[in-house]
Amino acid sequence: EDQVTQSPEALRLQEGESSSLNCSYTVSGLRGLFWYRQDPGKGPEFLFTLYSAGEEKEKERLKATLTKKESFLHITAPKPEDSATYLCAVQARRNFNKFYFGSGTKLNVKP
Amino acid sequence: EAGVTQFPSHSVIEKGQTVTLRCDPISGHDNLYWYRRVMGKEIKFLLHFVKESKQDESGMPNNRFLAERTGGTYSTLKVQPAELEDSGVYFCASSQDQGGPQHFGDGTRLSIL
Repeated sequence: EDQVTQSPEALRLQEGESSSLNCSYTVSGLRGLFWYRQDPGKGPEFLFTLYSAGEEKEKERLKATLTKKESFLHITAPKPEDSATYLCAVQARRNFNKFYFGSGTKLNVKP
Repeated sequence: EAGVTQFPSHSVIEKGQTVTLRCDPISGHDNLYWYRRVMGKEIKFLLHFVKESKQDESGMPNNRFLAERTGGTYSTLKVQPAELEDSGVYFCASSQDQGGPQHFGDGTRLSIL
């Protein structure tokens, strides 16, 4: 069965303290992996798509990487405005319109 | 560009009543999706439309849920009759291309009393 596991569930960082979030997946034939940011009371906001192992994408302080088993979202020198829940979703080749989401990592960056 | 719009943002109804949720996708997006998150769980797929046609409704929990997309524009999701376990946040998303990034609305928080 297709499954996505995110860790840690919650992460507290001081402003400027870099760290990484993990998304491990089990899917039969990965087509793509998506990272989203979700603020309280809002819907998921699209950040990145990764399609193949070794691929990297960057946006401001965020960098996403992909291997055959997992993806990392690296946050460099975070600011309080980076505080949010970060969600990972995967799509399988056999049905690429159906996204499987992880439970998310709630990030809190203290000033 | 206007994003995905969902209405209402909150709905509180009693068990056995009927509720209809509405979603307006991003203009020009043929693909429309419904997802939901129940308490403490991850976001789960319900169904996918391409224009007015249902492509995949494998995630619909039972026949109390009915989704429509009249004319291939906005979509509605009706729950009739509502049960306690239907409480949660219902998200709508749209995409320009099949398999492309899905863009989400802010959801409808549904509470069944």
